Amino acid sequence: EAEVAQSPRYKITEKSQAVAFWCDPISGHATLYWYRQILGQGPELLVQFQDESVVDDSQLPKDRFSAERLKGVDSTLKIQPAELGDSAMYLCASSLQRDLEAFFGQGTRLTVV
Amino acid sequence: AQSVTQLGSHVSVSEGALVLLRCNYSSSVPPYLFWYVQYPNQGLQLLLKYTTGATLVKGINGFEAEFKKSETSFHLTKPSAHMSDAAEYFCAVSDSGNTPLVFGKGTRLSVIA
Repeated sequence: EAEVAQSPRYKITEKSQAVAFWCDPISGHATLYWYRQILGQGPELLVQFQDESVVDDSQLPKDRFSAERLKGVDSTLKIQPAELGDSAMYLCASSLQRDLEAFFGQGTRLTVV
Repeated sequence: AQSVTQLGSHVSVSEGALVLLRCNYSSSVPPYLFWYVQYPNQGLQLLLKYTTGATLVKGINGFEAEFKKSETSFHLTKPSAHMSDAAEYFCAVSDSGNTPLVFGKGTRLSVIA
């Protein structure tokens, strides 16, 4: 069964360091999302891609976060420098089209110390 | 802008009892509504969705939900709880599929033997 792949599953980093997460969506899915889920809360959208283009990054803290999907397939989310408040689960999701259901990866659990 | 309110951050039921998880939404256009389940340190798995048509939607694992426009609700039910149903449940809304999912804060379901 096709699934969204994310790596790493867990990441511990010191504050002020750089960290990167990788996501490989389901093959053929044009829409890709990055969500952040703080412990005890629901996921919140960080950025949405349609193919290689950013559709919505209004909630992405652009002073420290960046996201790219250069070839319209896999995607990387980067944080530099990491802050203690960035500790969260980072979820990647993809969908065939914008108006269809999103499939989620298992997430990357980030702990900033 | 859309929003979701999940009433009750924690619900506890006995094994075999009815499960009822409440979700109310706000949307300026006809909504698409979703319920996702999340097990510890895992991604989100779609339980069911409502887009158009029949207002009673059946999903996986015996769950169902009913879209009630007059009450702006989309409550999740299951007639008989199993121990394996213990997890976090998230209700989400999208404006007719044209916007990314907006999630509620989640309801943690505990099932007591």
